[in-house]
Amino acid sequence: SAVISQKPSRDICQRGTSLTIQCQVDSQVTMMFWYRQQPGQSLTLIATANQGSEATYESGFVIDKFPISRPNLTFSTLTVSNMSPEDSSIYLCSVAGQEREPQHFGDGTRLSIL
Amino acid sequence: GENVEQHPSTLSVQEGDSAVIKCTYSDSASNYFPWYKQELGKGPQLIIDIRSNVGEKKDQRIAVTLNKTAKHFSLHITETQPEDSAVYFCAAIGSGGGADGLTFGKGTHLIIQP
Repeated sequence: SAVISQKPSRDICQRGTSLTIQCQVDSQVTMMFWYRQQPGQSLTLIATANQGSEATYESGFVIDKFPISRPNLTFSTLTVSNMSPEDSSIYLCSVAGQEREPQHFGDGTRLSIL
Repeated sequence: GENVEQHPSTLSVQEGDSAVIKCTYSDSASNYFPWYKQELGKGPQLIIDIRSNVGEKKDQRIAVTLNKTAKHFSLHITETQPEDSAVYFCAAIGSGGGADGLTFGKGTHLIIQP
């Protein structure tokens, strides 16, 4: 399966600031997704990153808060904007082929907001 | 949208015994059901999956069963080993008309007692 690299692996940020998380895949993939995993919780889909067009967001997530880019078939970014302590989570990138499955995950970015 | 329930939240078994984790889903159109293992500090790792046209699938010590009528699926781990200790997540994905991402259960913390 594809090798998925996320940067940074962890960060501690001040409230009110923004952080951009990168997801790089070692091969071209059709689909890329961003998930959030709050401490001790399950994973929740934030959005589907669409190449060359705006991301598709799930209910409860908005573009102003979580802008996403996907310039090509191997790379995507997620920005967490105007951060507050409630944004402290693990943010995970996943990838899949044209059939949406199976989905494989990176190791995530562990974000703490002070 | 899809809703996935997972039980139990914690499961402790003796090394060598079997472990069973159960999930139910709400959307009868869902057609793909993966299981992930997440170790501390890592992203979820796909361990087995099943599609709705199959009732059972095995891979060495791991098996998954699916009952479409009852809308539930289960993970079976036989001859458990200490390295099986982790959090396990079930998930489901619909057949279309909505998100292409996964809906996850809340997770099961599996503890293998030596």
